[in-house]
Amino acid sequence: DAKTTQPPSMDCAEGRAANLPCNHSTISGNEYVYWYRQIHSQGPQYIIHGLKNNETNEMASLIITEDRKSSTLILPHATLRDTAVYYCIVRVRRRDTASKLTFGTGTRLQVTL
Amino acid sequence: EPEVTQTPSHQVTQMGQEVILRCVPISNHLYFYWYRQILGQKVEFLVSFYNNEISEKSEIFDDQFSVERPDGSNFTLKIRSTKLEDSAMYFCASRRTGQGHEQYFGPGTRLTVT
Repeated sequence: DAKTTQPPSMDCAEGRAANLPCNHSTISGNEYVYWYRQIHSQGPQYIIHGLKNNETNEMASLIITEDRKSSTLILPHATLRDTAVYYCIVRVRRRDTASKLTFGTGTRLQVTL
Repeated sequence: EPEVTQTPSHQVTQMGQEVILRCVPISNHLYFYWYRQILGQKVEFLVSFYNNEISEKSEIFDDQFSVERPDGSNFTLKIRSTKLEDSAMYFCASRRTGQGHEQYFGPGTRLTVT
């Protein structure tokens, strides 16, 4: 699985968009970009994933550059409850295998009033 | 919304004792996982389980660890002889088969070995 690089921490004002970057310059053609987050010491929570097209769901948007070497997770209107560590994970998406997740150190997002 | 549950939320044990951590995965999920997170460190993969057998295990998952699905609902992690360095949060996760289904994590069990 490709290596990812994320800033260790970011701040965001409540109500503003939080834009979390991730570099994955060694990503290969069959690898997807996944985002999970971990609020305090809770279990990680799946947010979104994508291959090359931009994706949006009820939680966030994922913007992947055309060369796929970087991506940005966007929380459109951050709230205090979005304060968490956000993990960008790149891996092959296998249909029916129990493929593991490899977590890095992530970005600690602090949402403030 | 269905969720993964884990018991107990906190387990304190003495070094050398056996512990069993329990998980109830989401009911229609068929892939099961254990991860752990030592305080202040990364979330680390331990083992994955499918069709009543281990699919993959990490170097951490040595002979002191075992997993079992004793019935149709529970998924357990056993540590035979705990060490101080086993103190960590242990997370269970589960996933449906097929594409488009990601891992859902439980709230974790905090294991403290004294």
